[in-house]
Order: sequence, then structure tokens, then C-alpha cells
Amino acid sequence: DAGITQSPRHKVTETGTPVTLRCHQTENHRYMYWYRQDPGHGLRLIHYSYGVKDTDKGEVSDGYSVSRSKTEDFLLTLESATSSQTSVYFCAITQLLAGGRNEQFFGPGTRLTVL
Amino acid sequence: DQQVKQNSPSLSVQEGRISILNCDYTNSMFDYFLWYKKYPAEGPTFLISISSIKDKNEDGRFTVFLNKSAKHLSLHIVPSQPGDSAVYFCAARIFGASGTYKYIFGTGTRLKVLA
Repeated sequence: DAGITQSPRHKVTETGTPVTLRCHQTENHRYMYWYRQDPGHGLRLIHYSYGVKDTDKGEVSDGYSVSRSKTEDFLLTLESATSSQTSVYFCAITQLLAGGRNEQFFGPGTRLTVL
Repeated sequence: DQQVKQNSPSLSVQEGRISILNCDYTNSMFDYFLWYKKYPAEGPTFLISISSIKDKNEDGRFTVFLNKSAKHLSLHIVPSQPGDSAVYFCAARIFGASGTYKYIFGTGTRLKVLA
């Protein structure tokens, strides 16, 4: 599992409230990613980070912000949660290998319900 | 605009036979392709990958084929086993605007291997 944990694992919140999800890794990987998984859409990239304080937007970044103040933690924040953000959120890291190969490992996911 | 497409939402195969999962892409800048397996309530698990400079990669029962001219890749599982029943995602890697890696996923194919 490449030492990836996510917290919380489940959360129910109300529309308009702020929510922060945490991804923690123990193996000093440079790249970290946040995805959401929804039926019919597969996995969609929200934001990613390529180093401390270095982040970039993905396909579905509207309504989300991220921060990475230290290598091991990548935080995803919903400033004002909406029902359309009800989803399962996955964090991932990329391990770069010799010869340009890479593997991407995922955390266990956080199920977020916005009422 | 779905850059990575898995047009078959589901597939059923008899145990012992070959499973073929397909994936099409539109962006010729993708340089690396990956396949993942996902069980319910778990994060995706990396299976196998292939560089755009190759046309085949094999790992045990799993083989990935890449046809660059057709912008098509496929995952072959031989022989299929009941434990292979899961959702399979293909993903493609591309450099983002910041010169760093990001991944685009397909919508997934649910494979069911019948005993």
C-alpha cells in the first residue's frame, strides 16, 4: 500500500460547511494526487502536488483547494461543501522507477456524503 | 471531453478463458499507460503498465498490448479466475502544464469471471 493512509475514512456533513481530507504517506514520495470516483465517471483528478508547496489543478478542481506544507501530508479542502461533492475520494502517490517506468499506489479512500 | 475511454462498462467471462479489456485514447501526447484493478470499498491496485515506445508487456497472467496508430490498448488475462472479478481502469500519463506528471483515467470496466 506504499504507506498511504487517509483520514477520515467516512464523513457525513451538511451543505455549506468546510471539509478537509488528509492524505498521509510515509515513504517520502514527491508526487501526490487527489481523485474522486463517481459512477459512470471513473476516477477524475482533482489536484496534484509535485513537491512541498507545489501543486497544480486536475480535471475537476472547481470547489476544491489543496495544500502541501510537508512532504508526507497532502490536504484536500472543500471550502463550502455541496451535494455534488458527495463522492469517494482517493489519494495516490507515484513511484518513479528506472527506465521511465512508474507505478501509482492508492490509499483506501474516504467516503464523503454532503447532505 | 473524455480523453481515455473504456467503452464496455461490463464483461462476463467463463473461468479459464481469456478476458480482454479494451481502452481507447485520443491524446497522442500520452507517454505511458497503466491498468488498475479495484475491488469494492478498496483503493485501486496497480496491475501492469506499458511505455508508449513498446507494443507489449507481459507479467504472469496479464499482458498489455498497445497499438499507437489506433490509439488503443488492451489488457489480456489468461486464464481468467474468479478472483479477477473486479472493476478495471486504464490510465494514461501526460505531462501537465507545470512539466510534471498527471494521469487521466477511463471510466472502468466491471469484469465478472464465472465459475
